[in-house]
Amino acid sequence: NAGVTQTPKFQVLKTGQSMTLQCAQDMNHEYMSWYRQDPGMGLRLIHYSVGAGITDQGEVPNGYNVSRSTTEDFPLRLLSAAPSQTSVYFCASSQGTSSYEQYFGPGTRLTVT
Amino acid sequence: AQSVTQLGSHVSVSEGALVLLRCNYSSSVPPYLFWYVQYPNQGLQLLLKYTTGATLVKGINGFEAEFKKSETSFHLTKPSAHMSDAAEYFCAVSPTGGFKTIFGAGTRLFVKA
Repeated sequence: NAGVTQTPKFQVLKTGQSMTLQCAQDMNHEYMSWYRQDPGMGLRLIHYSVGAGITDQGEVPNGYNVSRSTTEDFPLRLLSAAPSQTSVYFCASSQGTSSYEQYFGPGTRLTVT
Repeated sequence: AQSVTQLGSHVSVSEGALVLLRCNYSSSVPPYLFWYVQYPNQGLQLLLKYTTGATLVKGINGFEAEFKKSETSFHLTKPSAHMSDAAEYFCAVSPTGGFKTIFGAGTRLFVKA
């Protein structure tokens, strides 16, 4: 199993551009989530999904959209990039609710200039 | 609302010394508790977790943590530090029956030869 994969690994955007961060998992996990990691702030939840067709907002959802058309894929869309969205983004999946561990992808380092 | 506090953004120990990373949580009911480790340029991986049962939890790489309800703490320890333990460590809490996980700000562990 590849686990959780993310593409791209690095990305530089100009302010106002849009892009999609890709995330896929091959463990048949129902639960998937997106986090951003900023120095001194730990990981903050952006959006999450409890199954195909079901998504919900996390702690910091503004400026991001998600959809979940299949169990495997959970893309994160930046609608109009801002410098404040410069961060490292992690996708994670889990086989169940809160007692289960999350499996993390390797991350995407995004810089917005 | 739940929250997690990790005391000390940086901890430095000598190789062979005790590792103690502190985590306190705030929650109206005992949550599920996790410690994750992040090596440079990688995603997070689970060290150990507490859900129910024995309050002393053993994890990978010789780490363990004790859930103390009266102190609302879940400190991570390892009797003897190894150079390979140098990484960032995150404490996390999840509500029972829920999904959203709250991460602490992280503690970076340095191990001196």
